Amino acid sequence: SAVISQKPSRDICQRGTSLTIQCQVDSQVTMMFWYRQQPGQSLTLIATANQGSEATYESGFVIDKFPISRPNLTFSTLTVSNMSPEDSSIYLCSGGTSGRNEQFFGPGTRLTVL
Amino acid sequence: AQSVTQPDIHITVSEGASLELRCNYSYGATPYLFWYVQSPGQGLQLLLKYFSGDTLVQGIKGFEAEFKRSQSSFNLRKPSVHWSDAAEYFCAVGPNYGGATNKLIFGTGTLLAVQP
Repeated sequence: SAVISQKPSRDICQRGTSLTIQCQVDSQVTMMFWYRQQPGQSLTLIATANQGSEATYESGFVIDKFPISRPNLTFSTLTVSNMSPEDSSIYLCSGGTSGRNEQFFGPGTRLTVL
Repeated sequence: AQSVTQPDIHITVSEGASLELRCNYSYGATPYLFWYVQSPGQGLQLLLKYFSGDTLVQGIKGFEAEFKRSQSSFNLRKPSVHWSDAAEYFCAVGPNYGGATNKLIFGTGTLLAVQP
């Protein structure tokens, strides 16, 4: 299994600002994903982070709002841009190996936007 | 459409009692199936998974789940619940092929409370 860490663990931000969340995996994984978990709800996939190329976004999520980088197989960042209170959520990073579809999750970043 | 349904939003059981959490899925083919647990303020921990073979799978912390193709179900069970099992449980499905994308679709979760 892979161990995944995220920074920061939580943050309180002002409306209109941006926050970059980092995700580090302790071993190489083929796939990395970013999810959002709004208060009291389940997980929704934001995008697949592709190494060295643009992320693949799910319906309802766009690159201008959630730019993602993945410079190598063990690291990715998600930026939440021009934040509003509706962006208050837990953001989770996951990693997995293509073919077995087994994903391991980071502890999440709890974001509050005032 | 692909979906996962967890009919029980909230369940309360007494410590030592048995537990069954329901999960039904709608998918185009036999999927990979997972149960995750999320303790308060924590990320998701993988409890168990089904890929193929024996339809009864064992996981960590004494949990097991049974895949029933005819019922499109993957219910989670534990014979004796401990107070530390209080958490939210998520069922998830993903594609059963070696494709380039491994998206998971999550159910809405079941919040488990354990009474002393």
